Amino acid sequence: EPEVTQTPSHQVTQMGQEVILRCVPISNHLYFYWYRQILGQKVEFLVSFYNNEISEKSEIFDDQFSVERPDGSNFTLKIRSTKLEDSAMYFCASSVGVLSYEQYFGPGTRLTVT
Amino acid sequence: AQTVTQSQPEMSVQEAETVTLSCTYDTSESDYYLFWYKQPPSRQMILVIRQEAYKQQNATENRFSVNFQKAAKSFSLKISDSQLGDAAMYFCAYRRFQGAQKLVFGQGTRLTINP
Repeated sequence: EPEVTQTPSHQVTQMGQEVILRCVPISNHLYFYWYRQILGQKVEFLVSFYNNEISEKSEIFDDQFSVERPDGSNFTLKIRSTKLEDSAMYFCASSVGVLSYEQYFGPGTRLTVT
Repeated sequence: AQTVTQSQPEMSVQEAETVTLSCTYDTSESDYYLFWYKQPPSRQMILVIRQEAYKQQNATENRFSVNFQKAAKSFSLKISDSQLGDAAMYFCAYRRFQGAQKLVFGQGTRLTINP
């Protein structure tokens, strides 16, 4: 069964460094999402992406964040200058289309900022 | 803005018993989706069950069923014949029917299954 994959599974970085989290959505899906979950807290929406554009973003998704679909298969989340509070689990998700109810989640990347 | 509230941070149940997890939400929309996601220790988010707001019939998936009360904006999950593998965090989530695709999650309920 097709699945969303994410790499790396765990990333440790120093404060102020740039990180890129990678996701490979399911191949025929058109909508892509990033969510994050700070340890012990609820899952929060960051950004949705369709047709090579951001379709919606939350207030968390400030200028330090960016997303890209560089090659038609990967979907990346970049954090330019990481802060301690960026430490979280980051989930990528994808869905087939605008009326598709189900978002398929990847296994997540645990980001630790020291 | 839509909000989702899960008032039970933790629940426990004996194996083979039935447990109900509560969820309430707030929205001014008339059409929307509601979901329950399971997050086991591996932390992968797994869709358990969904409910379309325009459907009056409560959704059922094997041992999982919901009690959807649209007027009360309540969406509880019932797990029958609880199994050890059901132990996980359970998140209730809301999504608008059209337009914004984002899922809005509740705070989660940690379910423990006692053998």
